[in-house]
Amino acid sequence: EVQLLDSGGLSVQPGGSLRLSCTVSGVRLSDYVMSWVRQAPGKGLEWVSSIGQSRGQEHYEDSVKGRFTISRDDPRGKAYLQMNSLRVEDTAIYYCGTDAQHDSHTWGQGTLVTVSS
Amino acid sequence: DIVMTQTPLSAPVTLGQSASISCRSSQSLVHRNGITYLSWIHQRPGQPPRLLIYKISRRVSGVPDRFSGSGAGTDFTLKISRVELEDVGIYYCMQATDFPRTFGQGTRVEIK
Repeated sequence: EVQLLDSGGLSVQPGGSLRLSCTVSGVRLSDYVMSWVRQAPGKGLEWVSSIGQSRGQEHYEDSVKGRFTISRDDPRGKAYLQMNSLRVEDTAIYYCGTDAQHDSHTWGQGTLVTVSS
Repeated sequence: DIVMTQTPLSAPVTLGQSASISCRSSQSLVHRNGITYLSWIHQRPGQPPRLLIYKISRRVSGVPDRFSGSGAGTDFTLKISRVELEDVGIYYCMQATDFPRTFGQGTRVEIK
């Protein structure tokens, strides 16, 4: 069974950077496409980014293109989301998860990113 | 982008009665491999999202059979039979047939 632990969320100023981490256990990370989804306060779920297996193709939501970079380290069982040039509107809980094309896809508990001056 | 539209946005229901949520996509969700990647997700307040159903109608292990998914192409339905208190929260449909992955707006299920 996949278990996911998101971490790295902090409060930062606009223009700042953060790197979120996702630790995967219980399965072989290399078997999965990994994704990040976020939820702004009081809002719905929004897909952010995905990365294919074996450092495969990366996909990004339009508003984060050029600012966020998704990556993975399969031997360490980790996925990452590097977030640069953060904006107030990036404030959200970020959930890492297995991509929704996988059966029984799932998400971690989430990590809170607050962008505020 | 594939737009996912849910109705209703709010579904008050009496305990023990049924609730039904509709999800319509702006284009067919049938992938070129023939699989339809439509999922239903439940989120309780302050909790992370939890997958209920994937590939239209396949229940995740541990999800009660009171939850059922149906549909094809662009029209999908989640039915909750015999609603219990633990079923309150927001339900989302989500497509993973194409990028960007997209979610419906969410339907709030509450007890009357």
